[in-house]
Amino acid sequence: DGGITQSPKYLFRKEGQNVTLSCEQNLNHDAMYWYRQDPGQGLRLIYYSQIVNDFQKGDIAEGYSVSREKKESFPLTVTSAQKNPTAFYLCASRGAGFRDRGWNANQPQHFGDGTRLSIL
Amino acid sequence: GQNIDQPTEMTATEGAIVQINCTYQTSGFNGLFWYQQHAGEAPTFLSYNVLDGLEEKGRFSSFLSRSKGYSYLLLKELQMKDSASYLCAGTGGGNKLTFGTGTQLKVEL
Repeated sequence: DGGITQSPKYLFRKEGQNVTLSCEQNLNHDAMYWYRQDPGQGLRLIYYSQIVNDFQKGDIAEGYSVSREKKESFPLTVTSAQKNPTAFYLCASRGAGFRDRGWNANQPQHFGDGTRLSIL
Repeated sequence: GQNIDQPTEMTATEGAIVQINCTYQTSGFNGLFWYQQHAGEAPTFLSYNVLDGLEEKGRFSSFLSRSKGYSYLLLKELQMKDSASYLCAGTGGGNKLTFGTGTQLKVEL
């Protein structure tokens, strides 16, 4: 079945350590996104990518980095510079071929099951 | 991005109807999504509105007024499993969504 897979489900980070969250999709979607969700709050955009080898900062990119070397994969690294990394991290993807039709505004974002990151 | 505003919490009774409101700034607005999110899970897509009016999908309906910068999600025949957070998200230019903080709905017997 097509979908978005995030791993691991739970992750623990030590002080001063970088950790990488995996996000893989087999939906053939061009656009991928990373969000952070804190308790009782909405989703805040960290980074997004509209096409392979290209990505843009979202609203809270500081302390995070991404890469988009393959269409299927959009890993997020939480660096030691991110001083408050404890949160629920959600990856999403969105269809409609950028090259073919431009963005179809009514295409929803599809979400993975999330990774819960905590500090040791 | 958009400025999305929705109530923090609502409580309703099983079998009843509940309306969850969402307001947004109209400048640069393109369309509006509603998502449902159960605790600890990923959001799931409910509806999308780009034109004025009501879109009905079974027990769930969503309404949009572009001129007023206003949307609502209507849930009918409430069930206990409808207890969840409901997220309103607006699209502006480009390919990004701006999410509201979500409305936590509690359905009681």
